[in-house]
Amino acid sequence: EAGVTQSPTHLIKTRGQQATLRCSPISGHTSVYWYQQALGLGLQFLLWYDEGEERNRGNFPPRFSGRQFPNYSSELNVNALELEDSALYLCASSLNGGASDTQYFGPGTRLTVL
Amino acid sequence: QKEVEQNSGPLSVPEGAIASLNCTYSDRGSQSFFWYRQYSGKSPELIMSIYSNGDKEDGRFTAQLNKASQYVSLLIRDSQPSDSATYLCAVIRTYKYIFGTGTRLKVLA
Repeated sequence: EAGVTQSPTHLIKTRGQQATLRCSPISGHTSVYWYQQALGLGLQFLLWYDEGEERNRGNFPPRFSGRQFPNYSSELNVNALELEDSALYLCASSLNGGASDTQYFGPGTRLTVL
Repeated sequence: QKEVEQNSGPLSVPEGAIASLNCTYSDRGSQSFFWYRQYSGKSPELIMSIYSNGDKEDGRFTAQLNKASQYVSLLIRDSQPSDSATYLCAVIRTYKYIFGTGTRLKVLA
């Protein structure tokens, strides 16, 4: 069974540009989560989607946004990129977002903002 | 006070020893608890989950949960150099996953 996949693996942008990151969950999973992990820091929760709806959002500015498609894949968009947006962006999926759900992580997209 | 706290380490243990990793959380309403391992430059991978008070064993790993004291721990027996990684504690509270910043473990050969 395929795990969580993310694309691209690496992304290089310049300040002010927009970045789009993509994630495909494990088959049968409806919940998708996005995290930011800056170098040497912990996982910071960004967004949670389930059944096409945004269920929860972390403490990030509105220029971080996303969506979930009918096939449960998801997209994270970061507008007006800033240098401090450089980080590893991790996507995870879980069965349905329940309280005992396990999250399974994809390999991540490393975003570099120059 | 952070919602989930871990000592950042590094925690250094000799090969074959028991490594003890601890995590405390602030919300008594927390429902589920997870330990993930993350190698440098890689994504986190699940080691164990625990939902009720007591111990849960899986191979060389034992997770311990004490809801009254609001802590969860992970014991790694017979530590191997391949166990050297950052260990992340995660807590589910009101449908939000909260991760600690992780403890870096170094197993010395």
